Amino acid sequence: EVQLVESGGGLVQPGGSLRLSCAASGFTFSTYAMNWVRQAPGKGLEWVSYISSSSSTIYYADSVKGRFTISRDNAKNSLYLQMNSLGDEDTAVYYCTRWTSIAALEYWGQGTLVTVSS
Amino acid sequence: DIQMTQSPSAMSASVGDRVTITCRASQGISNYLAWFQQKPGKVPKRLIYAASSLQSGVPSRFSGSGSGTEFTLTISSLQPEDFATYYCLQHHIYPLTFGGGTKVEI
Repeated sequence: EVQLVESGGGLVQPGGSLRLSCAASGFTFSTYAMNWVRQAPGKGLEWVSYISSSSSTIYYADSVKGRFTISRDNAKNSLYLQMNSLGDEDTAVYYCTRWTSIAALEYWGQGTLVTVSS
Repeated sequence: DIQMTQSPSAMSASVGDRVTITCRASQGISNYLAWFQQKPGKVPKRLIYAASSLQSGVPSRFSGSGSGTEFTLTISSLQPEDFATYYCLQHHIYPLTFGGGTKVEI
């Protein structure tokens, strides 16, 4: 069974940093690209970042480019999102999702809440 | 970036109704279109991928159609558990973009 478990969310002050993690199991993590998707309270879904299976290709949404860094450790079956210079607009539930070009975002984690507030 | 325009943004419906939700892409995306259902406080659940392929385990009253720029999600006979918010997603090219959502309520 595919499982994606996010962690690392919490309350952070504006301008602060946070690192999210996603632990993957139930599939061969090293062969799948991954994405982060977020959802602000009461708002719609927003794609955040993509990383290929080998980390050779990375994309970011314009809203986070230069502030967020996606990475992965295939030996640890883990995906990460380093978030710096956080602002109110980054308050959201962050989901780790598995990607394939045909199946799109088939599997999602349960999400981790990031709250940016003073 | 490809913009996804979803309509309506909200709708009232009754059990047994036929419901149709539309997504329009700002440029052609072939059939790289997925539909998700999200209930309050829950994780989005994929219903349809590749425009018309039904996710395993999803009831057959859900169907998707379209190609290019115009796509439709149809619920043939709305059930109580179908009251939720629905999102389309274009997965043809990055950045991935979601529609704004359609809230289906009583």
